[in-house]
Amino acid sequence: AAGVIQSPRHLIKEKRETATLKCYPIPRHDTVYWYQQGPGQDPQFLISFYEKMQSDKGSIPDRFSAQQFSDYHSELNMSSLELGDSALYFCASSLGAAGSPLHFGNGTRLTVT
Amino acid sequence: DQQVKQNSPSLSVQEGRISILNCDYTNSMFDYFLWYKKYPAEGPTFLISISSIKDKNEDGRFTVFLNKSAKHLSLHIVPSQPGDSAVYFCAASENNNDMRFGAGTRLTVKP
Repeated sequence: AAGVIQSPRHLIKEKRETATLKCYPIPRHDTVYWYQQGPGQDPQFLISFYEKMQSDKGSIPDRFSAQQFSDYHSELNMSSLELGDSALYFCASSLGAAGSPLHFGNGTRLTVT
Repeated sequence: DQQVKQNSPSLSVQEGRISILNCDYTNSMFDYFLWYKKYPAEGPTFLISISSIKDKNEDGRFTVFLNKSAKHLSLHIVPSQPGDSAVYFCAASENNNDMRFGAGTRLTVKP
């Protein structure tokens, strides 16, 4: 069965550069979530989208932005990267109905040097 | 503010025995709870869930118990198998919004 696809799997950037992470949800899933997991930390919710509109906002820095496109894929744009942004970024998708579990991608590991 | 807490960072059990992973939460508005399993280099995988109207949910070897008065839930794995060795995350949400995760418990099942 098709799963959540994230690209790229690995990304290395320098401080102050920008990065774009992509997430392709499971077909027919209309909700996308972004999570950040730093080394040794639990996943932190960043932001979510339902039907192409932002539905919830968590601890996402102002330097980051995200959107969900008409085909339901989502992109997380990160600017003015800092060393502390180095983390594993997970995307998850679900059907918008309350109570639907999240299905996670394998993540994008971002390293900022 | 850690609204979901897994106080045991690791747990080791013998194959065939029961594994019990615990999770506590502070937000009484949480109405949906989930357990995820995570292998190295992979994203978390949904395992089992329970809504606040229930106190128990079973799926094969996995059972989740919810004690709302104590704001506590637990995952029981019986019998434990070496392939169950992974990090287990407890998560909670209110109306499927803004899911909060615990820090995870690393389970090791020894053959």
